[in-house]
Amino acid sequence: RKEVEQDPGPFNVPEGATVAFNCTYSNSASQSFFWYRQDCRKEPKLLMSVYSSGNEDGRFTAQLNRASQYISLLIRDSKLSDSATYLCVVNREGSNYKLTFGKGTLLTVNP
Amino acid sequence: EPEVTQTPSHQVTQMGQEVILHCVPISNHLYFYWYRQILGQKVEFLVSFYNNEISEKSEIFDDQFSVERPDGSNFTLKIRSTKLEDSAMYFCASSREGTFRGNTIYFGEGSWLTVV
Repeated sequence: RKEVEQDPGPFNVPEGATVAFNCTYSNSASQSFFWYRQDCRKEPKLLMSVYSSGNEDGRFTAQLNRASQYISLLIRDSKLSDSATYLCVVNREGSNYKLTFGKGTLLTVNP
Repeated sequence: EPEVTQTPSHQVTQMGQEVILHCVPISNHLYFYWYRQILGQKVEFLVSFYNNEISEKSEIFDDQFSVERPDGSNFTLKIRSTKLEDSAMYFCASSREGTFRGNTIYFGEGSWLTVV
């Protein structure tokens, strides 16, 4: 089983749509969880950290279910600028930021 | 905003040659990392470095690879005897602390290595 597994995608949605990304992780020792976005041939950029109680940042909502080892990201009212690859990322506490990345899900928001 | 800078942005090298990728981490950061991403694949951890020594490395980071902090600002990745499969984007990163506690890891823009 892959350490971090994401929807393979790609997702093509119209502007204004709501889109959800799903991710599962296999290592129960994972302690920190993140969503990154990556534009083509660019570095990963932190979108948001994911907390146990769930958290929201504007149009973005992240959820974590430790029992199911499942993480989600919801984007509401999607914009053209949201087009990117969304990476689910986990880290084991005490592992000196040895981040484990999912392969990512490509999102294209169309006008 | 502080940033991690990497050079070169793109390098083409002959198979078997040695390559050194350069990084300048953020100045008050103490932890440094290299990650790589083969085209179309996921980002993979290579190595973390703290207090002038490797603190953790992946199985990818074998004897072909080495890291060094030759002075107070640079952090380099050396790849000896490059192979075609070393072609990838190499990302340097740094963080103030080693683990996430409201603390962020910053990635550089990457060095694209093509081995021919």
